[in-house]
Amino acid sequence: EAGVTQSPTHLIKTRGQQATLRCSPISGHTSVYWYQQALGLGLQFLLWYDEGEERNRGNFPPRFSGRQFPNYSSELNVNALELEDSALYLCASSLVMGNQPQHFGDGTRLSIL
Amino acid sequence: QKEVEQDPGPLSVPEGAIVSLNCTYSNSAFQYFMWYRQYSRKGPELLMYTYSSGNKEDGRFTAQVDKSSKYISLFIRDSQPSDSATYLCAMSATHQGGKLIFGQGTELSVKP
Repeated sequence: EAGVTQSPTHLIKTRGQQATLRCSPISGHTSVYWYQQALGLGLQFLLWYDEGEERNRGNFPPRFSGRQFPNYSSELNVNALELEDSALYLCASSLVMGNQPQHFGDGTRLSIL
Repeated sequence: QKEVEQDPGPLSVPEGAIVSLNCTYSNSAFQYFMWYRQYSRKGPELLMYTYSSGNKEDGRFTAQVDKSSKYISLFIRDSQPSDSATYLCAMSATHQGGKLIFGQGTELSVKP
């Protein structure tokens, strides 16, 4: 069974640009979560999507947004990139919703120059 | 004060040793407790998932949850060099909207 897949592996952008990160969940999983893992800050919750709807978001500015498609894959968009957005962005998926165990992909490394 | 505290290490042990990793937390609403292992340049891999207090064993790994002390542990028996990684504790509450709260991670090195 394929795990959570994320693309691209690495993304290099400059300040002010926009970035789009993609995630395909494990087959059968309908919930998708996004986390940011920045150096020294640990894993921080960004967004949770289930059945195409945003169910919860963490303490991040509105320029972090996303969506979930009918096939349950998801995109994370980051607008007006800032240097401090440089981090590993991790996607996780789970069955149904709520407190089912979350399984992570290997992430997209976003570097802002 | 952080909701979840975890000693970042690094922790270095000889091969075959028993490893004890710990996290403390402050939010008494947490009911779901997880341990993840993260290798360099990889995503976190779920090792253990427990609900409420008690012990859970899976091969060389044992997870313990003590809700009265707000303390969770992961024990690794007969540690191997392949266990060298960062170990992350995570927890969540029933009505927390899918949000996992992570510890900072403990870097473990098992020396041959």
